[in-house]
Amino acid sequence: EDQVTQSPEALRLQEGESSSLNCSYTVSGLRGLFWYRQDPGKGPEFLFTLYSAGEEKEKERLKATLTKKESFLHITAPKPEDSATYLCAVQTDGATNKLIFGTGTLLAVQP
Amino acid sequence: EADIYQTPRYLVIGTGKKITLECSQTMGHDKMYWYQQDPGMELHLIHYSYGVNSTEKGDLSSESTVSRIRTEHFPLTLESARPSHTSQYLCASSPGGGRELFFGEGSRLTVL
Repeated sequence: EDQVTQSPEALRLQEGESSSLNCSYTVSGLRGLFWYRQDPGKGPEFLFTLYSAGEEKEKERLKATLTKKESFLHITAPKPEDSATYLCAVQTDGATNKLIFGTGTLLAVQP
Repeated sequence: EADIYQTPRYLVIGTGKKITLECSQTMGHDKMYWYQQDPGMELHLIHYSYGVNSTEKGDLSSESTVSRIRTEHFPLTLESARPSHTSQYLCASSPGGGRELFFGEGSRLTVL
């Protein structure tokens, strides 16, 4: 069964303290891995798509990487406005155009 | 900025009422989805559509129904709401081809 697991469940950082969020996946065939940001009471906002192992994408203080078993979202020198829940999702070869989501990592960045 | 809209944003109703959650997108996407999300839990796909007059049930069983009469509109209906239907409902659309999903702001439903 296709599965996505995110860790940690929650992470508290001081402003400027860099860290990484993990998304491990077990799927029959990966078509794409997606990272989203979700603020309280709102819908997920798209951040990145990664398609093959070794691929990296960057946006401001965020950098996403992908291996054959997991993806990392690296946050460099975070600011309080980076506080949100970060969701990972996969799209598989057997179910294209549908996403399987993890439970997310709740990130809190304190000033 | 994604152009996908959900109404109402918040709804509190009594048991047994019929409700419809509206979802519209102006991007011309063929593929549309409804996800259900409870606090601290992952998003679960309950319905999807790959085009007009096409609807399928998702991975999570749901008593709701959907319709797709127009490309831009994908409403979700509950004929008789129950407290177990209390949740956040998220609508999304995608151009397909392995591209990302664009989400609306969500509709938070509370059934008393």
